[in-house]
Amino acid sequence: AQSVAQPEDQVNVAEGNPLTVKCTYSVSGNPYLFWYVQYPNRGLQFLLKYITGDNLVKGSYGFEAEFNKSQTSFHLKKPSALVSDSALYFCAVRDTARDSSYKLIFGSGTRLLVRP
Amino acid sequence: NAGVTQTPKFQVLKTGQSMTLQCAQDMNHNSMYWYRQDPGMGLRLIYYSASEGTTDKGEVPNGYNVSRLNKREFSLRLESAAPSQTSVYFCASRGGPSGNSPLHFGNGTRLTVT
Repeated sequence: AQSVAQPEDQVNVAEGNPLTVKCTYSVSGNPYLFWYVQYPNRGLQFLLKYITGDNLVKGSYGFEAEFNKSQTSFHLKKPSALVSDSALYFCAVRDTARDSSYKLIFGSGTRLLVRP
Repeated sequence: NAGVTQTPKFQVLKTGQSMTLQCAQDMNHNSMYWYRQDPGMGLRLIYYSASEGTTDKGEVPNGYNVSRLNKREFSLRLESAAPSQTSVYFCASRGGPSGNSPLHFGNGTRLTVT
């Protein structure tokens, strides 16, 4: 079965420090991977995606993610965290089953808390 | 641009009541989706519509029905609400035929069933 795991419910980091939010996946075939962010009382916003090519993907708000095929991971990173980065982050993978070309499978989410 | 618009923002129902959640997008997207978000469970797909005139079940379709009214609008109906349907509901749309374009989400409908 295809799945996405975000092993940490919450990540705490001090402002100015680097941050990492972890994601691992399990799919058959080549993965299409996404990161989304959700601020309070809002819908999810797209941050970045990996489809093919360079393993380091850059996205919005200074975020980047590293695709690692051997470890089946797609961790979200930022060199220097801001208090305004505090939000709920979701990793997602495209379901590659034959009859589900358009569906995304989401992880359970990781709450990022950046303290001043 | 408004993007994806959902109405209502909040709703309280009694068990057994029915209601329809409305969703409209102004981005000329082909595909539309309904997800529910529950604490610790991420987002789960209820129904989706790959194109106008088609709808398909997602991961958790029981207790729901959908209508793709036209290219812009995709509604979700609860015929007989149950407390287990208390959740936050998100509508999303996607442009382009491939699976690598991102979803655009509305701001959600917070539903409580008592």
